[in-house]
Amino acid sequence: SYVLTQPPSVSVAPGQTARIPCGGDNLGSKGVHWYQQKAGQAPVLVIYDDSGRPSGIPERFSGAKSGNTATLTIRSVEAGDEADYYCQVHTTDSFHVFGTGTKVAFL
Amino acid sequence: QVQLVESGGGVVQPGGSLRLSCAASGFTFSSYVVHWVRQAPGKGLEWVAVMSRDGRAQYYADSVKGRFTVSRDNPKNTLYLDMNSLGPEDTAMYFCAREAYYDSLPTFYFDFWGQGTSVTVSS
Repeated sequence: SYVLTQPPSVSVAPGQTARIPCGGDNLGSKGVHWYQQKAGQAPVLVIYDDSGRPSGIPERFSGAKSGNTATLTIRSVEAGDEADYYCQVHTTDSFHVFGTGTKVAFL
Repeated sequence: QVQLVESGGGVVQPGGSLRLSCAASGFTFSSYVVHWVRQAPGKGLEWVAVMSRDGRAQYYADSVKGRFTVSRDNPKNTLYLDMNSLGPEDTAMYFCAREAYYDSLPTFYFDFWGQGTSVTVSS
């Protein structure tokens, strides 16, 4: 089955930039989507199709992809950005696959 | 506004059954695909199941295939998940999530989520 790999955690100082990688085989041919999940809440879509940003999501959130790695970047990290972040893709055999998840926390 | 409200969770013994419901409002339910996604305590998200808009096709994660059945009642704007032969590994928060559409085509990402219903399998 298809696997998306993320680091378990990313530490960042307030106001700095957090970068969360997501790696998978042949990721370049798939659309990558990102979700933010705060403690005790449902996930929220923050990036779709590699770099699209839904309405209501701050411009501080951006996505990019190079080769087999997609990256979610959060500029000027704020207290409210502390959360778990998951990447997600669709595959023909595993259907929908989520990454292992990354916790963003302040240093 | 778009709303998805899950219900039906609870505590069930191993080997037992449970039916979850996802009530949709604020959009034309029959025009969208709504998925089930679960999250075990302290773990990541796992896609579980989906039914096509017309109800003709269902798809399942390998971990639940043969035990779970997804269905939908379009006039009632409701998605269901019938869970049988439950085991401790099925303990999780179960979310329903709407798949976004663009120009009537699926986009393969989830634009709205419910708050979830908790399922605990324990003796």
